[in-house]
Amino acid sequence: GNSVTQMEGPVTLSEEAFLTINCTYTATGYPSLFWYVQYPGEGLQLLLKATKADDKGSNKGFEATYRKETTSFHLEKGSVQVSDSAVYFCALRRNQGGKLIFGQGTELSVKP
Amino acid sequence: EAGVAQSPRYKIIEKRQSVAFWCNPISGHATLYWYQQILGQGPKLLIQFQNNGVVDDSQLPKDRFSAERLKGVDSTLKIQPAKLEDSAVYLCASSTADQTRDRGRAFFGQGTRLTVV
Repeated sequence: GNSVTQMEGPVTLSEEAFLTINCTYTATGYPSLFWYVQYPGEGLQLLLKATKADDKGSNKGFEATYRKETTSFHLEKGSVQVSDSAVYFCALRRNQGGKLIFGQGTELSVKP
Repeated sequence: EAGVAQSPRYKIIEKRQSVAFWCNPISGHATLYWYQQILGQGPKLLIQFQNNGVVDDSQLPKDRFSAERLKGVDSTLKIQPAKLEDSAVYLCASSTADQTRDRGRAFFGQGTRLTVV
């Protein structure tokens, strides 16, 4: 079946550190891949997406590249800020308008 | 632009009681989703509507959960009777298939946190 696996948290970093959150997926066909972010007290927000192999999604300094050969979509940021503290969810979708299948989420805490 | 509205934000009930959650999607969005997010897990789809028809309810526990979307706009999710394991955040999301920049993108509400004691 279709599934998403993320690295376990919590992840604690100092401000300006480099961030990687690993995400791998299992799916038939060619899914679209997403990263969602949930800030404290807020709803889920789309952070970035990629719809085909080798696409790179980027937003707010975050990047992720769709790697079909390794079935991965790792999230990276070169220099994190305290305001990046949130829970990050990797997700896949088999077809447009279809359901999202989420990983378990990774909590990121950035210290000043 | 108004986002997805949900109410209530919080609800505490005793087991075996019933509860209902309400969702108002973004205006014009034909697709509406209800997700269940148990603490420490990612959201899991309960039911998906296209206008007022059900597209996917394969993971909805139909012996206790029900949902409707009358007139293809607002939606209500009900649990009757509730169990302890139903404690979770219930998220509503909506999307449009219109040829816009946000085609197919799911927009989420803030959710309803349910605690069953």
